[in-house]
Amino acid sequence: AQSVTQLDSQVPVFEEAPVELRCNYSSSVSVYLFWYVQYPNQGLQLLLKYLSGSTLVKGINGFEAEFNKSQTSFHLRKPSVHISDTAEYFCAVQKNTGFQKLVFGTGTRLLVSP
Amino acid sequence: DVKVTQSSRYLVKRTGEKVFLECVQDMDHENMFWYRQDPGLGLRLIYFSYDVKMKEKGDIPEGYSVSREKKERFSLILESASTNQTSMYLCASSFQREPYEQYFGPGTRLTVT
Repeated sequence: AQSVTQLDSQVPVFEEAPVELRCNYSSSVSVYLFWYVQYPNQGLQLLLKYLSGSTLVKGINGFEAEFNKSQTSFHLRKPSVHISDTAEYFCAVQKNTGFQKLVFGTGTRLLVSP
Repeated sequence: DVKVTQSSRYLVKRTGEKVFLECVQDMDHENMFWYRQDPGLGLRLIYFSYDVKMKEKGDIPEGYSVSREKKERFSLILESASTNQTSMYLCASSFQREPYEQYFGPGTRLTVT
């Protein structure tokens, strides 16, 4: 079975500072990896995904993530955050063989202050 | 634009009531999902459906049932609501082909008193 660990439940950061949200996963088979964002009182929106190929994945709103197979990690980064990036971020993993359910981490709340 | 809509944003029900949460998608997706979201627990899968009238249990199906009579509509039913079912409920849908990306509705915040 797959599992996802997001060790940081909350990350406070000042506006225009860089940020990294950590995600580690566990799986005995190859996986797809996703980052979703949830703004207050909204559903989840896909930020970016890793399927195969280049390990550096670029997403919407200036976010990027790097797949590291040896470290089983998929950390999300942004070089300069805005107040509007304040939201909850979820990492998710899915086996890449046929239809499989998504397994989500517990989420990291990013708090950007001026 | 993919659209997944949920019938209510906020719902307040009494213990023991039968509760229906409706979800509709307009992308002709084969798969549909119901999750509940609780602080510190992330999203947990309740049920999913890969075709009309087909359903599979997720991780926490107890106390819930589902119905899918049409491809675009997936209903979550709480047969007898209890206070521990107070939560945010999220519906999602996806195609049955790679990468199975899921599209989410805005959520229904259900309070059972």
